[in-house]
This record gives sequence, C-alpha cells and structure tokens, in this order.
Amino acid sequence: GAVVSQHPSRVICKSGTSVKIECRSLDFQATTMFWYRQFPKQSLMLMATSNEGSKATYEQGVEKDKFLINHASLTLSTLTVTSAHPEDSSFYICSASSVLAGVYFGPGTRLTVT
Amino acid sequence: GQQVMQIPQYQHVQEGEDFTTYCNSSTTLSNIQWYKQRPGGHPVFLIQLVKSGEVKKQKRLTFQFGEAKKNSSLHITATQTTDVGTYFCARNQGGKLIFGQGTELSVKP
Repeated sequence: GAVVSQHPSRVICKSGTSVKIECRSLDFQATTMFWYRQFPKQSLMLMATSNEGSKATYEQGVEKDKFLINHASLTLSTLTVTSAHPEDSSFYICSASSVLAGVYFGPGTRLTVT
Repeated sequence: GQQVMQIPQYQHVQEGEDFTTYCNSSTTLSNIQWYKQRPGGHPVFLIQLVKSGEVKKQKRLTFQFGEAKKNSSLHITATQTTDVGTYFCARNQGGKLIFGQGTELSVKP
C-alpha cells in the first residue's frame, strides 16, 4: 500500500521555539494533505487541509499564524509550530490523499514542549 | 461539518467475549470509514462502507452501515489480546476525515 512518512517521529523543544514537521508521500503524488492533532485519550481533530501550490485551509479555532503549513510539492507538506508552548504538546499526524491512492496516515510526530 | 457520535468511550472485555462500538450521525452519511489505532501508533484504515444496509466482514470483524445511512457499527467476535486499541469511525469528505470520539478496547487475557 501507499506509504506516508513523517519526520521527526519525536521532538522535544523549549517553550518559545519553533518546530517543523515534515510529511511525505513516498510512492504517490498527494494533491492534498491533511494535518491532525491528537491529545492523549482523545480523538483526532483536523487542523488544516494542505493543497499543493495554494494556501492551506484551516479549521475553525486553529491559528494559521501559529501553525504554518507549506505544501511546496506533490510529495511534501510541512507544518511549523511557531513559538511553541506546553499546551501545544500533542501528537501531530498527517494524511495524504489522492484520487487513485485513497487516504493514508503518516506515523505521527509526538511533540513535547518544555 | 456534522460530528459523528461514537459510543462507548471505553470497553473492557475478557478475552473471548464479543465487542461492539457504535457510531451515529444526525445527518445522512455518504460513507463511513473505520480505523484502528494501537497505543502509541497512528490510525490504520480498516474499511469503508458506502451502501445503505451494507455489511462487510473481515475475519472476526463485522462492519454494518444502517439502512438510513445514519449509523454504523463494528462488532468483533471472540476478542483476542491483539484486538486492543482504539477504534474510530470517521466520515470522509473528499479525503478530509471527521472522526468519532473513538472507543478504547482493552482485553483481559
């Protein structure tokens, strides 16, 4: 099946710093990628839809200036958490979608802000 | 978009017992997908249902889509310890997934 990778898998950063998370579709071109956030013992919540070559669409309540999304190619989307705070500590998961390949999740990135 | 309500939140069973999780929507769903997430892992796609009254089976797992396409269920027969994890239903809107709250299944050997 299609493979989606995420990097890094875990990251610990200090409060106030920025963290970049990469999501790659390894064997298919993803016209659309999605970013989700999952707090412990909770469901996945969609943060934004990332479209190649255009601006991301953010869900209600998600700050676009805090969570910067760049989808520069058909195989790569990045999520940058700017000025991270402890409340941003979470499991961030991307998914990649194409008409032929369907929807596939990356393995997730566990962010801890100290 | 409309949320999908999922119950129960937790289910603890003895190995060999059956398990069912339910999803309900106030509006008609064009499709429903089911995912399994192991502790510390990411969601893994199990199945998609699109037809009214559809029933699909995967070994000990039975998935149903209601006649009105407003509810769905996942039933596991004779649970095993390998079934442990959280099961999510989700509606798919052009690749964008709206997840239910999930049901966390624990299985006591």
